Amino acid sequence: EAAVTQSPRSKVAVTGGKVTLSCHQTNNHDYMYWYRQDTGHGLRLIHYSYVADSTEKGDIPDGYKASRPSQENFSLILELASLSQTAVYFCASRTDYAEQFFGPGTRLTVL
Amino acid sequence: KTQVEQSPQSLVVRQGENCVLQCNYSVTPDNHLRWFKQDTGKGLVSLTVLVDQKDKTSNGRYSATLDKDAKHSTLHITATLLDDTATYICVVADRGSALGRLHFGAGTQLIVIP
Repeated sequence: EAAVTQSPRSKVAVTGGKVTLSCHQTNNHDYMYWYRQDTGHGLRLIHYSYVADSTEKGDIPDGYKASRPSQENFSLILELASLSQTAVYFCASRTDYAEQFFGPGTRLTVL
Repeated sequence: KTQVEQSPQSLVVRQGENCVLQCNYSVTPDNHLRWFKQDTGKGLVSLTVLVDQKDKTSNGRYSATLDKDAKHSTLHITATLLDDTATYICVVADRGSALGRLHFGAGTQLIVIP
C-alpha cells in the first residue's frame, strides 16, 4: 500500500510569515502533487512534479512555491502567508497507472 | 467552471437505510472515475474505480455505476452504518492529460443518525 505522509498535520501561521508544508512518500512514485481543499469546493491543484529537482505550476500557483529535492520529498512553501491561504492542504503521489494516493492533509490557519 | 458536480450537497439518513449519491461531469476526454470517502479531518480513501464505458463495481456495501455517454455516476450505500458518516468525493481523471490530471467534485456530506 502506498504511503504518503505530511507534516505538520496542523499549523497556525501569522499573516506575512513563511510556511513550509512537507510531504514524504515511500513508494518510488514519480509524480507528486499539492492540492488545497476549501469548504464547498473540490480539491484544486497548486503545484506538481514528475521528477526530482523540477516542479510545475498547477491551476492555482499564485502565492505558492514548491520544491522537490528528491523523489521521496515534495514541499509547498508560502513565502508570505495570507488569510486567503487558510485551507486544508493535501499531498498525493501517483503510480504509472494514474491512481493517486493521498496524504492525511495539513490544516493551515493563517491569522 | 466546475467540471464535476455532485448532488445532493448533504444528506441525512437513519442507520440501516440505503442512499444514493450522484455525480455528473463534463470532463473530456474522460478516463476513469473514482469515488473517495473522506472522514472529517482525514485524507481521501478510495472506495472504487470505474473504467469502462458502462461500468458497475461493488465493494461490500458500496456499489457504483458509470455511464460515460451520459457522463454520470452513482454511488449506492446499502444498509448504512454510523461509520459511513463522511464526505464522499467523485473524481474524474482526464485522459488527455499526461500528468494524470484529476477533476474533483465538492463532495456530498453524508450524515448517518441512529
